[in-house]
Amino acid sequence: AQKVTQAQTEISVVEKEDVTLDCVYETRDTTYYLFWYKQPPSGELVFLIRRNSFDEQNEISGRYSWNFQKSTSSFNFTITASQVVDSAVYFCALSGYNTDKLIFGTGTRLQVFP
Amino acid sequence: ETGVTQTPRHLVMGMTNKKSLKCEQHLGHNAMYWYKQSAKKPLELMFVYSLEERVENNSVPSRFSPECPNSSHLFLHLHTLQPEDSALYLCASSQDPTSGSQNNEQFFGPGTRLTVL
Repeated sequence: AQKVTQAQTEISVVEKEDVTLDCVYETRDTTYYLFWYKQPPSGELVFLIRRNSFDEQNEISGRYSWNFQKSTSSFNFTITASQVVDSAVYFCALSGYNTDKLIFGTGTRLQVFP
Repeated sequence: ETGVTQTPRHLVMGMTNKKSLKCEQHLGHNAMYWYKQSAKKPLELMFVYSLEERVENNSVPSRFSPECPNSSHLFLHLHTLQPEDSALYLCASSQDPTSGSQNNEQFFGPGTRLTVL
């Protein structure tokens, strides 16, 4: 069975702090994709990143970075020097190869205070 | 208009009403989805349409009826809903990964916040 666990329900930080959002997944597929989405208060989910299972290189995009560790089935997301605009719910998701079915975690609500 | 749009953004309805949610995508995608987002639950996939054919129906009650007249439009017809159906209903679209494309990330609309009284 496929499953995504985001153990952190809510995280609060002060602006400029670094924060890491955890994501642990379970799958029997040998090839799969992992995603992160951001859901601001306006409601729509904003796509942040897709990573395929055979590429374990970490990725950095501005203040965002992702750490994919196949050995621990984790795909953690770090925001460096957080800003108030980063306040949102962040979802980690998993899909198999050649399928459009996304399995979402329950999300982590991040609040960044000025 | 760009991306994925949904109307209405908010809807309040009684249990005996009939209403429809509309989704439109301007991305040239071939697949469209309906999700339900309830408080403290993972997003639940309800329906998937690929090339205007329904390919997935995740045991959704018949009081929810989807319609996909073309690859750019998706509707969710609602009738005799229950208060527990109150949720945020999200529409998404993607390239159809089963056609060989690897671009299977889904792009979401802003959702319709539904309240059933």
